[in-house]
Amino acid sequence: NAGVTQTPKFQVLKTGQSMTLQCAQDMNHNSMYWYRQDPGMGLRLIYYSASEGTTDKGEVPNGYNVSRLNKREFSLRLESAAPSQTSVYFCAGKRGAGETQYFGPGTRLLVL
Amino acid sequence: RKEVEQDPGPFNVPEGATVAFNCTYSNSASQSFFWYRQDCRKEPKLLMSVYSSGNEDGRFTAQLNRASQYISLLIRDSKLSDSATYLCVVRYNFNKFYFGSGTKLNVKP
Repeated sequence: NAGVTQTPKFQVLKTGQSMTLQCAQDMNHNSMYWYRQDPGMGLRLIYYSASEGTTDKGEVPNGYNVSRLNKREFSLRLESAAPSQTSVYFCAGKRGAGETQYFGPGTRLLVL
Repeated sequence: RKEVEQDPGPFNVPEGATVAFNCTYSNSASQSFFWYRQDCRKEPKLLMSVYSSGNEDGRFTAQLNRASQYISLLIRDSKLSDSATYLCVVRYNFNKFYFGSGTKLNVKP
């Protein structure tokens, strides 16, 4: 099993460009999450999907959109990137209530 | 106020030492508690869940004090491979997880 995978691993964007971060899992996770991690700060939840077909805002959703394409895939879109979105983005999945999250390897994004 | 607070460290300890980290959380309705380990430039990985009665996994012991709203992690007989950042994580409801900013541990030979 590949677990939780993310593409791309690294990306450099110019301000105003758009891009989609991809996340896929083969662990039969019902819930999936997108976080960002900035230096000196904990991971902050951007959006989550409790189950296929549903998405909800987390702590820092502004500037992002998400799509839960199917049970396996959860994508994060930046419509117009800003330097403040320079960060490391982690996708995570969780099977059910009370279970822990499993993280992908992360995407390092630099917005110039 | 942050939901979860940790001392960022670093904690510099010699091999074989015992080291303890604490973490406090602000929401008394928090339901589940975890310690994750994060190596440099890698994803967080679950170290252990924290149960109300306290629990142990080898050299690692975790404790929860709901009355004072803090969680602790004790590492005995530190190894060089324990060097990492330890993240305290609190689950508020089914899908809301709050992460501390992490405590950095350096174990020296």
